[in-house]
Amino acid sequence: SAVISQKPSRDICQRGTSLTIQCQVDSQVTMMFWYRQQPGQSLTLIATANQGSEATYESGFVIDKFPISRPNLTFSTLTVSNMSPEDSSIYLCSVGGDVNEKLFFGSGTQLSVL
Amino acid sequence: GENVEQHPSTLSVQEGDSAVIKCTYSDSASNYFPWYKQELGKRPQLIIDIRSNVGEKKDQRIAVTLNKTAKHFSLHITETQPEDSAVYFCAASQYGNKLVFGAGTILRVKS
Repeated sequence: SAVISQKPSRDICQRGTSLTIQCQVDSQVTMMFWYRQQPGQSLTLIATANQGSEATYESGFVIDKFPISRPNLTFSTLTVSNMSPEDSSIYLCSVGGDVNEKLFFGSGTQLSVL
Repeated sequence: GENVEQHPSTLSVQEGDSAVIKCTYSDSASNYFPWYKQELGKRPQLIIDIRSNVGEKKDQRIAVTLNKTAKHFSLHITETQPEDSAVYFCAASQYGNKLVFGAGTILRVKS
């Protein structure tokens, strides 16, 4: 399976600021996704990061709050904008998902907003 | 859209016993059903998956069964060990695209 690296692994941020999370894969992948895992909760899909075009957002998530970039087939970023304490979560990138491809997760970014 | 329900939310078993976690899904078009194990502070790890053309799949002490008619699938862990203690998530999708996850099951194996 692909090696998926996420940076930063954790951060503590102030209300109203923004944080950009990076996801780097060691091989080209077709599908990249961003998930959120709120404390003690399940995983919720934020968006699909499309290479060369705008991300596709799930209901309840908007581009202004979670802008995503995918400049190539090995890299993506997720920005959490104008943060509030409710944004405190683990953010996970994941890759794979095509036919016959399994979905694997990056190491995650633990975000705390004060 | 797809909705996945998972039961129980918490499961405690004695070491050596079996554990069963059940999930139901709503979208009959879903055809891929993975299970993930998440230890505290770690990323979810894929432990087993099944596609809709298969009724059962085994990998050592773990197995997954799928009933397409009833739209439910289950994870079976035999001879449980303390290291099996974790949160387990089921999920459903069409061939791994946009996985929808269940709420999770906290499994505690008591030694």
